[in-house]
Amino acid sequence: DGGITQSPKYLFRKEGQNVTLSCEQNLNHDAMYWYRQDPGQGLRLIYYSQIVNDFQKGDIAEGYSVSREKKESFPLTVTSAQKNPTAFYLCASSIDGSQETQYFGPGTRLLVL
Amino acid sequence: SQQGEEDPQALSIQEGENATMNCSYKTSINNLQWYRQNSGRGLVHLILIRSNEREKHSGRLRVTLDTSKKSSSLLITASRAADTASYFCATGNRGSTLGRLYFGRGTQLTVWP
Repeated sequence: DGGITQSPKYLFRKEGQNVTLSCEQNLNHDAMYWYRQDPGQGLRLIYYSQIVNDFQKGDIAEGYSVSREKKESFPLTVTSAQKNPTAFYLCASSIDGSQETQYFGPGTRLLVL
Repeated sequence: SQQGEEDPQALSIQEGENATMNCSYKTSINNLQWYRQNSGRGLVHLILIRSNEREKHSGRLRVTLDTSKKSSSLLITASRAADTASYFCATGNRGSTLGRLYFGRGTQLTVWP
């Protein structure tokens, strides 16, 4: 089955802790994206990667970091600098870095203890 | 703002009725896409319409695009309870250097059996 997987489904973060959200795709897509979704605010772009070993900040990158060491994987770390991390995080991919269809994973809900 | 805005924010109809959602945007676009999101899930791509197209159909979905008015509409005919979801428009904006999409805040559609 081709698709995008995200894990875990739920994640709990303690004060001062860094946590990493996993995103893997087997669609052979070049581009991958991380979005944050808060109630009533739609999707906001955190980071974007057009190709392996390259990524760009989106609109709300502060307090987050990413890596893109493999084409299939684009993990997102929520650092302790992100003061309001509670949200639904969505990973997506597209065949290339153009504005074509994006394919989404099932999401990770991050909660703060 | 570079993102689209959906209208209405919420729509409630009976099964069998048609549902119409609108999206307005402010910049020039290359394409406009509609996505669906069931509660707590990832987004699913429904349809993409390019700036030189005026209308597109996919099953019970009909999308129109009026670039002179900078607006699009999504019509779902003969709606079913299973169509209950949030619907988002996303624009691929002309001149966007990242090749990214800009998502609106969505319309919450409820279809009552």
